[in-house]
Amino acid sequence: QSALTQPPSASGSPGQSVTISCTGTSSDIGGYIYVSWYQQHPGKAPKLIIYEVNKRPSGVPDRFSGSKSGNTASLTVSGLQAEDEADYYCSSHAVTDSAYVLFGGGTKVTVL
Amino acid sequence: QLQLQESGPGLVKPSETLSLTCTVSGGSISSSAYHWGWVRQPPGKGLEWIGSIYFTGTTYYKPSLKSRVTISIDTSKNQFSLKVSSVTAADTAVYYCAREEKSSASSWGQGTLVTVTS
Repeated sequence: QSALTQPPSASGSPGQSVTISCTGTSSDIGGYIYVSWYQQHPGKAPKLIIYEVNKRPSGVPDRFSGSKSGNTASLTVSGLQAEDEADYYCSSHAVTDSAYVLFGGGTKVTVL
Repeated sequence: QLQLQESGPGLVKPSETLSLTCTVSGGSISSSAYHWGWVRQPPGKGLEWIGSIYFTGTTYYKPSLKSRVTISIDTSKNQFSLKVSSVTAADTAVYYCAREEKSSASSWGQGTLVTVTS
């Protein structure tokens, strides 16, 4: 079970948008709606920002949005702000012989 | 307000067993809505899901770790635990416990660093 594939880095200027991709297979992203995204600042625990592909937990700004097409999920951060600079991880429900959760390798977002 | 707190030794010797406990407060670990899981993060690296448990004791493990990992639950203490056997330096990581719902971890502990060293 290889990790989901994310670009190692992404960047944008304040106010711009950045989109992060997360590629898996039909056994994970392509087969289920249970795709999540997490934001992690240095030295902190991850924070859930998107669940079930495109739903936002209470308190997460609507600048964060998620989508999925086939085996690839995407996170878009619109109207970039300085505090959005962080590591972002995707995850997906996966099933081969049994059910488990796969994470992506993470993407470092830099606000220029 | 739900809170999760990891506890356990910060140092473990190679070939020994890593043991951690997560204490849940502000909510019941017996809720039928959630699973309770463990995620780790080696220093400077990404997140790795280890496994999770339901209040009934049903467990789910990452296939590549399944042979070395055991997750258990104690509903009377509102705690769940992780054991990783035959540890090596590659098991050095910050270990997080989390509440999961439909494969999403919505609440996390602060994490605890476990170092495997002789």
